[in-house]
Amino acid sequence: KNEVEQSPQNLTAQEGEFITINCSYSVGISALHWLQQHPGGGIVSLFMLSSGKKKHGRLIATINIQEKHSSLHITASHPRDSAVYICAVSSSYNTDKLIFGTGTRLQVFP
Amino acid sequence: DSGVTQTPKHLITATGQRVTLRCSPRSGDLSVYWYQQSLDQGLQFLIQYYNGEERAKGNILERFSAQQFPDLHSELNLSSLELGDSALYFCASSVGALVFGGEQFFGPGTRLTVL
Repeated sequence: KNEVEQSPQNLTAQEGEFITINCSYSVGISALHWLQQHPGGGIVSLFMLSSGKKKHGRLIATINIQEKHSSLHITASHPRDSAVYICAVSSSYNTDKLIFGTGTRLQVFP
Repeated sequence: DSGVTQTPKHLITATGQRVTLRCSPRSGDLSVYWYQQSLDQGLQFLIQYYNGEERAKGNILERFSAQQFPDLHSELNLSSLELGDSALYFCASSVGALVFGGEQFFGPGTRLTVL
């Protein structure tokens, strides 16, 4: 079993829909990261959070430390949101070593 | 543009060969991270350097080695290459440790193909 699990693996949506991507982890963590990988391959760090909730534009990330679960929400989705979204955790004993989930491929159609 | 540069963009080589991938971090960033992304294993952390010193190590093979130079650029050396080493290799940089709020900035990657 992977230490970081994401669901769903693939997601399609119509423009304007509300999107939720889930991440569960089984190790102790110091922080959780959400990354976006564009179709061309480039990776952008979206959020780093260790508690509560963060918002950036139409993106919202939440984390529940007790349940070892995080969600990434996209409001009013747009075709330009089409990308692979990757959850990663910094383990509590080696804070700079990231453990990655396998990613969620999102396609938003106009 | 993240400010992190990687060269070369593409590299095609043969099994048994040795290659060097280069990374220049963003100005002011002291930490450099190397990651491997293959089709079957996804993204994996290889190694991290902070201000010239190795700080964290992941699933890096013995055939692979890295270093960070005084000017903070880093090189990842891959030797005795095998077909399974074909992957995208990303470098990322941050000002300091991630746990203290440091954000990671990723380079565009080097696509390595081993024939």
